[in-house]
Amino acid sequence: AQKITQTQPGMFVQEKEAVTLDCTYDTSDPSYGLFWYKQPSSGEMIFLIYQGSYDQQNATEGRYSLNFQKARKSANLVISASQLGDSAMYFCAMREAVTGGGNKLTFGTGTQLKVEL
Amino acid sequence: DTEVTQTPKHLVMGMTNKKSLKCEQHMGHRAMYWYKQKAKKPPELMFVYSYEKLSINESVPSRFSPECPNSSLLNLHLHALQPEDSALYLCASSQEGVGTEAFFGQGTRLTVV
Repeated sequence: AQKITQTQPGMFVQEKEAVTLDCTYDTSDPSYGLFWYKQPSSGEMIFLIYQGSYDQQNATEGRYSLNFQKARKSANLVISASQLGDSAMYFCAMREAVTGGGNKLTFGTGTQLKVEL
Repeated sequence: DTEVTQTPKHLVMGMTNKKSLKCEQHMGHRAMYWYKQKAKKPPELMFVYSYEKLSINESVPSRFSPECPNSSLLNLHLHALQPEDSALYLCASSQEGVGTEAFFGQGTRLTVV
């Protein structure tokens, strides 16, 4: 069974600084996808970035980058130049295919990020 | 159109009521999902539909009944709920395959009284 671990319940960062949110995972499936989502207080889950298990390079999307260390089974999110609007809950998630079709997206416990002036 | 639309946004229901949550997407996605999220917790998978067939039921109580009438619509029928079922219910859709992101709706905040 897959497992996602986020060990930082809460993080603070100053505006314009970079911050790293940690995520480790465990799976026996060689093919999987790793995702980061942002959830503001409004509730919507916003997709940020994706890393495939076979991707050789770390994913980047604007101010977001994913530090993927496959041997360590870690997929940390780096947010550069933090903005006040980045304050939200951040979830790491992993997807595995399942028998019968579809796939299963499992979430970590989340990290609440607060950006301060 | 990259939206997943959920209605209603808020719902208050009594324990003897029957209600339905609706979810719609027009992205041509063939996988659709229901998640339940309690406050300060991660979303928990309830059901997965793939090509309009139920492929995963995460041991959800029968008072929650999903339905996928066509490839764009997903319903969650609610009957005889308990106060502990109060939560944010999120619908999502995606292409098949592990390398595609899931798009989420804004959710329905359900309160059972």
